[in-house]
Amino acid sequence: DGGITQSPKYLFRKEGQNVTLSCEQNLNHDAMYWYRQDPGQGLRLIYYSQIVNDFQKGDIAEGYSVSREKKESFPLTVTSAQKNPTAFYLCASSISGSNEQFFGPGTRLTVL
Amino acid sequence: QKEVEQDPGPLSVPEGAIVSLNCTYSNSAFQYFMWYRQYSRKGPELLMYTYSSGNKEDGRFTAQVDKSSKYISLFIRDSQPSDSATYLCAMMPNFNKFYFGSGTKLNVKP
Repeated sequence: DGGITQSPKYLFRKEGQNVTLSCEQNLNHDAMYWYRQDPGQGLRLIYYSQIVNDFQKGDIAEGYSVSREKKESFPLTVTSAQKNPTAFYLCASSISGSNEQFFGPGTRLTVL
Repeated sequence: QKEVEQDPGPLSVPEGAIVSLNCTYSNSAFQYFMWYRQYSRKGPELLMYTYSSGNKEDGRFTAQVDKSSKYISLFIRDSQPSDSATYLCAMMPNFNKFYFGSGTKLNVKP
């Protein structure tokens, strides 16, 4: 089955800890994205990558970091510098030049 | 001012009703317009997309774009309880960055 997977589905973290969210796709898509979704605010872009070994900051990149060492993988690290990290995180991918993004099932992060 | 404005709802309708969901935007460079459906605790899935002004129909769904008014709509005919979800509009000036609305939560009552 082709698709995009995120793990874990639920994640709990203590304040001051870094945590890494996984995103993997087997759709052979060049572009990958990370969004954060909060109630009433829709999707806000954190980082995106159009090609391996290259990525750009989105609108709310502070306190987050990413890497794109492989085409299939785009992990997101939520660092202790992120002031309000509790949210639903969505990863997406697309063919470059396409108007369709395919989304993963999301990871719900809760900071205790 | 947000790039894309969308009424968060919730919108509650009886089964069989016609539903109208809307977004307004401020960036006249937007050319591609999409509607995503998101069920609770799931990732969004693309429902429809349109390019520039006009209408596009797909089964019970019609997407409408009015670029002169910077206004897009999604109409759902003969709404079903399975249509209950959050509907997100999205738009792009080019194939680089998506701008999403905040989503409208729809509840279709049996």
